[in-house]
Amino acid sequence: DTEVTQTPKHLVMGMTNKKSLKCEQHMGHRAMYWYKQKAKKPPELMFVYSYEKLSINESVPSRFSPECPNSSLLNLHLHALQPEDSALYLCASSQAVGGYYGYTFGSGTRLTVV
Amino acid sequence: KNEVEQSPQNLTAQEGEFITINCSYSVGISALHWLQQHPGGGIVSLFMLSSGKKKHGRLIATINIQEKHSSLHITASHPRDSAVYICAAGPMIYNQGGKLIFGQGTELSVKP
Repeated sequence: DTEVTQTPKHLVMGMTNKKSLKCEQHMGHRAMYWYKQKAKKPPELMFVYSYEKLSINESVPSRFSPECPNSSLLNLHLHALQPEDSALYLCASSQAVGGYYGYTFGSGTRLTVV
Repeated sequence: KNEVEQSPQNLTAQEGEFITINCSYSVGISALHWLQQHPGGGIVSLFMLSSGKKKHGRLIATINIQEKHSSLHITASHPRDSAVYICAAGPMIYNQGGKLIFGQGTELSVKP
């Protein structure tokens, strides 16, 4: 299996809702990433997990809460989001952190906050 | 000035044309990544380069480390090549945490 699987593909949520995004890989990669991408812009890094520990939080608001329950699974818990949080959320993985490793990206979750 | 600059930002070509997208970077890298993103879609990793040249099908990527420049070439372009192509610099040192530095992307449209 050489894929990163993200669910759901689309999500519409109200500003008072709580929802979660899920990302799964079975390549044995030990680094996993959450990116946020707005239209016509490159992805922006949100969080990096290395060996199931949070290694980078790019000053992301606390309404986004990441979780890495095991080496194959990465979640992003969403609570009290704002309309400006509407974006494509991409998950990626690599063998380990650092620039020597290739990245595998998921197909993303298109989030709309109403 | 961005640490990773791509040109052109937009490119329209006729089917069959040879296409070149350029990427210049100003940071130390361990690898340079070329990525492809179709409209509304996820990202596909095309190449990871640390030196020389790589080829996959009709796609060729080259890198000149001394000049801090990379190019992505598409031979015999096809409408299905229409996508955004993103150049990203992989960090030189471990403690940058695997943080890719992205260019702004090149939006390619290939007309039949």
